[in-house]
Amino acid sequence: EVHLVESGGGLVQPGGSLRLSCAATGFTFSDYWMHWVRQAPGKGLVWVSRIDKDGSSTRYEDSVRGRFTISRDNAKNTLYLQMNSLRAEDTAVYFCARVAHWVNDYWGQGTLVTVSS
Amino acid sequence: EIVLTQSPATLSLSPGERATLSCGTSQSVSNNYLAWYQQKPGLAPRLLIYDASTRATGIPDRFSGSGSGTDFTLTISRLEPEDFAVYYCQQYASSLAITFGQGTRLEIK
Repeated sequence: EVHLVESGGGLVQPGGSLRLSCAATGFTFSDYWMHWVRQAPGKGLVWVSRIDKDGSSTRYEDSVRGRFTISRDNAKNTLYLQMNSLRAEDTAVYFCARVAHWVNDYWGQGTLVTVSS
Repeated sequence: EIVLTQSPATLSLSPGERATLSCGTSQSVSNNYLAWYQQKPGLAPRLLIYDASTRATGIPDRFSGSGSGTDFTLTISRLEPEDFAVYYCQQYASSLAITFGQGTRLEIK
């Protein structure tokens, strides 16, 4: 059974950094692209970033480009999101999601990031 | 960036009724690369439909998707109590930026 489990969220001050992790089990992690998607409290879904199977190609949403870095360790079956220069508007639940046929067929439960002083 | 606009924002219906949710896009979505997701409070989204009309694995046949170009529809033929949730459309035609609609809340009347 496919499982994605995010961790690393928490409270951070504006300008600070956090690294989110997403542990994948139940499938061959290295065969799939992966996404990060976020959801601010009470708001809709926003795609954040994607990475291809071996990590050689990445893409970012405009507001996070240059501040966030997506990466993966296929030996550890883990996806990462390094978030720097955090802003209040980055406050959200961050989901990792597997990509199959270009869509997100499995999602983690999410991890909450709160940026506040 | 392709902007998705969902309507209505809120839809109030009773169990057993038919629900029709719309998603309009600011540009034509190539290959009908449009998906629908269901999200219940406190949970992750669940994939319902991809490629505009293909049901994902395990999705009941009361859910159907249609449309092409810039106009897409999710139809739930006979609402079950568990169907009341928020629904999002997503376009993935643009590899540079995937975008979601703002959501339609389907509530019990």
